[in-house]
Amino acid sequence: EVQVVESGGGLVQPGGSLRLSCEASGFTFSSYGMSWVRQAPGKGLEWVSAISGSGDSTYYADSVRGRFTISRDNSKDTVFLQMSSLGVEDTAAYYCAKGLGPYATHPDHWGQGTLVTVSS
Amino acid sequence: QAVVTQEPSLTVSPGGTVTLTCGSSTGAVTSGHYPYWFQQKPGQAPRTLIHDVNNKHSWTPARFSGSLLGGKAALTLSGAQPEDEAEYYCLLSPSSGRPVFGGGTKLTVL
Repeated sequence: EVQVVESGGGLVQPGGSLRLSCEASGFTFSSYGMSWVRQAPGKGLEWVSAISGSGDSTYYADSVRGRFTISRDNSKDTVFLQMSSLGVEDTAAYYCAKGLGPYATHPDHWGQGTLVTVSS
Repeated sequence: QAVVTQEPSLTVSPGGTVTLTCGSSTGAVTSGHYPYWFQQKPGQAPRTLIHDVNNKHSWTPARFSGSLLGGKAALTLSGAQPEDEAEYYCLLSPSSGRPVFGGGTKLTVL
């Protein structure tokens, strides 16, 4: 059974940093792109970032480019989202998702999410 | 970047049929936009219903179908059930940029 489980969310002050993790199981991790999607409280979904199965290609939304870095450790079946220079507008539930192919940027199989709150 | 538009809200009667649409500010939606459809119920994570225009997952109820209609991606629900009341989002990959979600359609079954 495919599973992705996010962790690392929490409360952080404006200007701070946080690293989210997403541990996957039930599939050959290195064969699939992984993505992050966020949802601010009461708002819609926003695509944030994606990484290819091998890690050689990364993609970012304009709103996070230069502040967020996506990476993966295929030996640990885990994808990361390093977030820096956080602002209140980054407050959201962050979802990790498996794609349908090695260069997939669309989320397909979703985790339950981890909440990030940016507040002083 | 492209703006993806959805109906903000729709209402369907139990057993009825409704079509949700997903348009792009850059022009007609094609299979090259790899349209996806997601369902999200309150307090839950989204789940994928349709990928690449009209492909279903094993968990997608048969009453949902995807298509291209009038230059837009479309999600049709035939035989609505009370449990289909949810927010529905589409996602497109415009050739000019990164994937973009629509604003979502709140579907009421009433």
